[in-house]
Amino acid sequence: QKEVEQNSGPLSVPEGAIASLNCTYSDRGSQSFFWYRQYSGKSPELIMFIYSNGDKEDGRFTAQLNKASQYVSLLIRDSQPSDSATYLCAVNFWNSGNTPLVFGKGTRLSVIA
Amino acid sequence: EAGVTQFPSHSVIEKGQTVTLRCDPISGHDNLYWYRRVMGKEIKFLLHFVKESKQDESGMPNNRFLAERTGGTYSTLKVQPAELEDSGVYFCASSRDSTYNEQFFGPGTRLTVL
Repeated sequence: QKEVEQNSGPLSVPEGAIASLNCTYSDRGSQSFFWYRQYSGKSPELIMFIYSNGDKEDGRFTAQLNKASQYVSLLIRDSQPSDSATYLCAVNFWNSGNTPLVFGKGTRLSVIA
Repeated sequence: EAGVTQFPSHSVIEKGQTVTLRCDPISGHDNLYWYRRVMGKEIKFLLHFVKESKQDESGMPNNRFLAERTGGTYSTLKVQPAELEDSGVYFCASSRDSTYNEQFFGPGTRLTVL
């Protein structure tokens, strides 16, 4: 059974702080890893993906991947109240490209002004 | 570029009735996925089309669910007859052929079966 685990939160951080969101997954053979942001009642919005060990930065967002530890994280620098949302971790477990994603339940982030 | 669209946004039906959900993927995306999120659970895969062909339907819960993608453009997902446990949010996602398979999601259809 391929699984993705996330702490459901809520994770509360003050405005301007760094928010750290974590995700673990069950299979070492996993191919690629995605972070989606979902506002209440809206569609999941792809914000980053990563496939190599290490860090990948895009604006205020940094994704970190450690395949040996089966761990992927998302850091949000200078958190803003508009970042308050549920963050979904998704994993492409298979070695071929166009296969389904397996999602975690999501972590609810609340940025306090 | 227009995003993935879904219709209707909400549907409330009674147990035993039929409902058809529609998804229009991003133009040029050959891969189309259906997912579902039931209350309190994670988003789960239902099936995957490549153009008009079903690539993987391992997530379909039972034969009350029928998906089609005639002509390789939009897709429909029919539930017949609907049961209470079918309630949830049905998402559609699409992607190009790519190594890393970035999938873009529609807004979802919230289905309530009474």
